[in-house]
Amino acid sequence: RKEVEQDPGPFNVPEGATVAFNCTYSNSASQSFFWYRQDCRKEPKLLMSVYSSGNEDGRFTAQLNRASQYISLLIRDSKLSDSATYLCVVTPRSSASKIIFGSGTRLSIRP
Amino acid sequence: EAGVTQFPSHSVIEKGQTVTLRCDPISGHDNLYWYRRVMGKEIKFLLHFVKESKQDESGMPNNRFLAERTGGTYSTLKVQPAELEDSGVYFCASSQGGRGYEQYFGPGTRLTVT
Repeated sequence: RKEVEQDPGPFNVPEGATVAFNCTYSNSASQSFFWYRQDCRKEPKLLMSVYSSGNEDGRFTAQLNRASQYISLLIRDSKLSDSATYLCVVTPRSSASKIIFGSGTRLSIRP
Repeated sequence: EAGVTQFPSHSVIEKGQTVTLRCDPISGHDNLYWYRRVMGKEIKFLLHFVKESKQDESGMPNNRFLAERTGGTYSTLKVQPAELEDSGVYFCASSQGGRGYEQYFGPGTRLTVT
């Protein structure tokens, strides 16, 4: 079993729709959680950190469920520019450095 | 302010040759990371420098890979001798702090071993 698992998609939704992704992690001692965004043939860029209390940034909302060991990302009123691959990233508590990437969920927004 | 830069952007070498990748982090970032993405797989952590010291190199695949960060500024990742399975995109990232801090990624070096 992978340490971080994501639905690879692709998710193909119309502009303006709401879309949600989940990501599960296997290590219950994981400490830090992030969503990164990666455009085709580009480097990953931090979208948002995920806090225990959940956090919102404009149209984006991230939630953490430690009991069920998953994090989620909700995108409201999706734009064409939201088309990208969304990477779930987890840092184990046991490691000072290592961060673990999910394989990513591809999102395609159609006009 | 300049972001993380990597050189070269692409490299095509033959099996058995040596390649050296370079990463220049954002100025002032003590933490520097190397990652690799093999086609069809997720991005994998290779190692982490704090200044010139290796904090964690648990992700390095084998002893054909050597990373250095002399002087705590730029870093190099040497692959010697290269094997076919080393092909992929090598990303470098830097951050002000360690785990929990935002990591800024470079554009990556696409390595192809033939």
